[in-house]
Amino acid sequence: EAAVTQSPRSKVAVTGGKVTLSCHQTNNHDYMYWYRQDTGHGLRLIHYSYVADSTEKGDIPDGYKASRPSQENFSLILELASLSQTAVYFCASSPDWGGQNTLYFGAGTRLSVL
Amino acid sequence: GQQVQQSPASLVLQEGENAELQCNFSTSLNSMQWFYQRPGGSLVSLFYNPSGTKHSGRLTSTTVIKERRSSLHISSSQTTDSGTYLCALPCNMGYKLTFGTGTSLLVDP
Repeated sequence: EAAVTQSPRSKVAVTGGKVTLSCHQTNNHDYMYWYRQDTGHGLRLIHYSYVADSTEKGDIPDGYKASRPSQENFSLILELASLSQTAVYFCASSPDWGGQNTLYFGAGTRLSVL
Repeated sequence: GQQVQQSPASLVLQEGENAELQCNFSTSLNSMQWFYQRPGGSLVSLFYNPSGTKHSGRLTSTTVIKERRSSLHISSSQTTDSGTYLCALPCNMGYKLTFGTGTSLLVDP
């Protein structure tokens, strides 16, 4: 079964601090995504990647960086965490794109910035 | 940009009742997906449904692309069906999914 593992599962960060969220997939999928979920906004795409060592901006990339050092790993980095970045973050992978394949999601990371 | 509207926003059922969830989208594209999110948890794919009707157990998804709508029917609801149901549509370039805000379903025993 497809597996996407996120760490940590929850985190409390201070405003202005650096936060790194990690994602590891064992699906051998090329595509990986970072979404954030906020009440009333559904899921919004932050960054995505379709090959190692390359990342692309999604719809709301400001304040976030991404890193894809290998096919299996995809990180989301908040260099200067802000209160507005309090949310639940989901990583997902997909074997291919064109809207023809579904996404496999991790369990999510609940981030609170104080 | 592309918009995905879901209705109702929330729904409360008694166990055994049926539910009909709706998803309307602003552009005509060739696929639609439905996801289920466990309370406080992750998302799992229910259907990839480009058009027509698909069945999976007590769930039925019907998509009519030319009318820009998709529905998810849950029959004989159970308490374990409680959670949030989200529909999602690929963007024109196909590299991402745009999600609706979801329907929150609570099934009481």
